[in-house]
Amino acid sequence: DQQVKQNSPSLSVQEGRISILNCDYTNSMFDYFLWYKKYPAEGPTFLISISSIKDKNEDGRFTVFLNKSAKHLSLHIVPSQPGDSAVYFCAASVDNAGNMLTFGGGTRLMVKP
Amino acid sequence: NAGVTQTPKFRILKIGQSMTLQCAQDMNHNYMYWYRQDPGMGLKLIYYSVGAGITDKGEVPNGYNVSRSTTEDFPLRLELAAPSQTSVYFCASSFTGVGQAFFGQGTRLTVV
Repeated sequence: DQQVKQNSPSLSVQEGRISILNCDYTNSMFDYFLWYKKYPAEGPTFLISISSIKDKNEDGRFTVFLNKSAKHLSLHIVPSQPGDSAVYFCAASVDNAGNMLTFGGGTRLMVKP
Repeated sequence: NAGVTQTPKFRILKIGQSMTLQCAQDMNHNYMYWYRQDPGMGLKLIYYSVGAGITDKGEVPNGYNVSRSTTEDFPLRLELAAPSQTSVYFCASSFTGVGQAFFGQGTRLTVV
């Protein structure tokens, strides 16, 4: 039973346009959400997070939106750059200590020049 | 500053063999974690530790053991390798919880 799902395995976007990566979850106890970015042959790197008390968090070109009633979050990248091409993982935890993160399956983003 | 270092990067094991995946961090983080990532899947937590001498099971601990004798090191032991343990293994550490964990580069393990 996948508690965190990323239903799009891949996404292709033109450079300069917006990339929108989606994530759905089923566990209503999840309280803290994160996005990680992963390049080939490297470990994931933390990108941005959001607590359930917020519905939006912004960091430069990256914005995460949380819709708790729909159990849905999304990551917006504006403008997209070729260097953003990577696999993006959504993750969730029942608290902001995050000892037991549950990951989605990832979405491969390809930004075309 | 090395961050999180995993060794080896690649390994092929025969069924029934044992091995230890090494993980070391130099950031004085209390929390350390082991994840595995199967092809096309997300990361799944194997074991974690909140400090030296303290370890706990994650989502998929069967077939693995860990120890945490120092703050810096968190080795993962496979006792009887099975083909189902073919995966990429990631070690991670964080100061206050995995929310903003730093990950190692991974160990790609194949069991044949």
